[in-house]
Amino acid sequence: AQSVTQLDSHVSVSEGTPVLLRCNYSSSYSPSLFWYVQHPNKGLQLLLKYTSAATLVKGINGFEAEFKKSETSFHLTKPSAHMSDAAEYFCVVSAAADRGSTLGRLYFGRGTQLTVWP
Amino acid sequence: NAGVTQTPKFRVLKTGQSMTLLCAQDMNHEYMYWYRQDPGMGLRLIHYSVGEGTTAKGEVPDGYNVSRLKKQNFLLGLESAAPSQTSVYFCASKGLWAYEQYFGPGTRLTVT
Repeated sequence: AQSVTQLDSHVSVSEGTPVLLRCNYSSSYSPSLFWYVQHPNKGLQLLLKYTSAATLVKGINGFEAEFKKSETSFHLTKPSAHMSDAAEYFCVVSAAADRGSTLGRLYFGRGTQLTVWP
Repeated sequence: NAGVTQTPKFRVLKTGQSMTLLCAQDMNHEYMYWYRQDPGMGLRLIHYSVGEGTTAKGEVPDGYNVSRLKKQNFLLGLESAAPSQTSVYFCASKGLWAYEQYFGPGTRLTVT
């Protein structure tokens, strides 16, 4: 079974300070992991993905995440927050054992709301 | 290239009314999905389709029906709307050999 736990429902940072959004996963298969971002009243946009290649994954807008199998974690980081980063972030897991099957289903965490103070 | 589009963007229904939400994608993707998003719950899968003419139940299918008559379209139907179906509905699509899904902008549905 696949599941995701986002450890913080809300994170607040000041503009220019680092961002850390924490995510732990559980997966019966070799997982694929994603971070999606949702700005207010918008759809979901893919930030980055891990698919069993390099464990440090770089995404858009300066975000990156590191896959740590021993800790079953996939935390999202950014060195310096910007006001435009304020949004809700979702950590997502998919069973990647068979990309061409229904195992491509996504399992979402409950989301972390990021607030950025000026 | 429009990606994934959803119609309508907003809708208000009375209890017991029916409606259909339309999802269209122009990326020639095999897989399509319907999710609902509720506060503090993330996204939950309602139904999905692995190809034209095929559909399957997801995590929360009760009260919904779907159809995939054309590869590019995936319809979500509510036969008798209930207040518990007040939510934001997202459609997504995925290519056969891809990992990631691409999402539409959402439909905000209120059932009174």
